[in-house]
Amino acid sequence: DTEVTQTPKHLVMGMTNKKSLKCEQHMGHRAMYWYKQKAKKPPELMFVYSYEKLSINESVPSRFSPECPNSSLLNLHLHALQPEDSALYLCASSQEPGASNQPQHFGDGTRLSIL
Amino acid sequence: DAKTTQPPSMDCAEGRAANLPCNHSTISGNEYVYWYRQIHSQGPQYIIHGLKNNETNEMASLIITEDRKSSTLILPHATLRDTAVYYCIVKSSSNTGKLIFGQGTTLQVK
Repeated sequence: DTEVTQTPKHLVMGMTNKKSLKCEQHMGHRAMYWYKQKAKKPPELMFVYSYEKLSINESVPSRFSPECPNSSLLNLHLHALQPEDSALYLCASSQEPGASNQPQHFGDGTRLSIL
Repeated sequence: DAKTTQPPSMDCAEGRAANLPCNHSTISGNEYVYWYRQIHSQGPQYIIHGLKNNETNEMASLIITEDRKSSTLILPHATLRDTAVYYCIVKSSSNTGKLIFGQGTTLQVK
């Protein structure tokens, strides 16, 4: 069971569509993360939010737009994606940003397919 | 960030202990070793972490060598449900909170 909830679980969209991925946690965590995982590869960090502000963008293309409306919610807005963006998108949270001794807790991800 | 080296795959008989090794020879003094696992079609699951001392929780034990250059995750009585990819990660000591995943070890419990 995960305490980080991601919706939807699956998403199929065309290259011209606009969609959003949603992530929610109610553990009072102040850091939230987006990762991308291609098939048979390890997760790769995309964005980090600390206290609802974007602190790290790992050179992600602008067709991915993150948003943190409040401390419990994290969105990833998608626009004009390419077929190579098909992947599992994972959200994670941790108690304090940057604390080395606190684990990140992951959701089960949104499996995205771009047609 | 310290890199980790893990064997790509391992087998374990059900009911036996699974010992998963990890090398992290460039680890810094204040960097923690984390273990996660990922069962097919799920997100990574946190297992355990440690700095210097051995750690144990309800899922596993973590043994860190005295020089901290390697560690071993021990699942005391492996079951079929423990079949997964296991990631050993050295967490960045900078104030970023980044987790950098390596290729991990695919553990097959038979």
